[in-house]
Amino acid sequence: EIVLTQSPGTLSLSPGERATLSCRASQSISSSYLAWYQQKPGQAPRLLIYGASSRATGIPDRFSGSGSGTDFTLTISRLEPEDFAVYYCHQYVYSARTFGQGTKLEIK
Amino acid sequence: EVQLVESGGGLIQPGGSLRLSCAASGFTVSRNHLNWVRQGPGKGLEWVSIIYSGGTTYYADSVKGRFTISRDNSKNTVFLHMNSLRAEDTAVYYCARDAPRRDGYNEAFDIWGQGTMVSVSS
Repeated sequence: EIVLTQSPGTLSLSPGERATLSCRASQSISSSYLAWYQQKPGQAPRLLIYGASSRATGIPDRFSGSGSGTDFTLTISRLEPEDFAVYYCHQYVYSARTFGQGTKLEIK
Repeated sequence: EVQLVESGGGLIQPGGSLRLSCAASGFTVSRNHLNWVRQGPGKGLEWVSIIYSGGTTYYADSVKGRFTISRDNSKNTVFLHMNSLRAEDTAVYYCARDAPRRDGYNEAFDIWGQGTMVSVSS
């Protein structure tokens, strides 16, 4: 099983600032099989990024993904008030999918 | 509109059984890969099971031998049959679709249902 470790656990920033979230895999995975989701309280997760760097339909361009091998990053260039939420990375290279434990992005 | 709607959750005693349903609209279940993902209270996301378009199924180790995923093509619905339920199975259960790919390979989850709550307690 591929274990995904996200850091930091909590990130405190202000609107307008830049957010950098990290996801590290326990073994190398093809970047084609790494995604990021946003989840707000009481809601289902929403797909942001797939294939490590491709934005899903309707996702603003302030969200970007990068990385390869075992290290992946989600960057939010200028935080908007609606961006404060929990973010999960997800690998789907194998049938047994796994998620990171999440990074909570909170308002400072 | 493409959507997934889960149902069947509730309060169940330890050792009991429950069947969750995930009704799809706007696309055909049998031509897509469908997953179950759960989220315990205050916890992160945990992948549970997948049924591929070809019918092959896989399970997380935590539920293997207790849960079974299936589908009814005539109802365009996927099910999760849960047996020998434990307190640690308490969670919101989401149904999620692999985004379609022409090559049929795995993909990220583009459509999620709203979830159904399962509480296992005496």
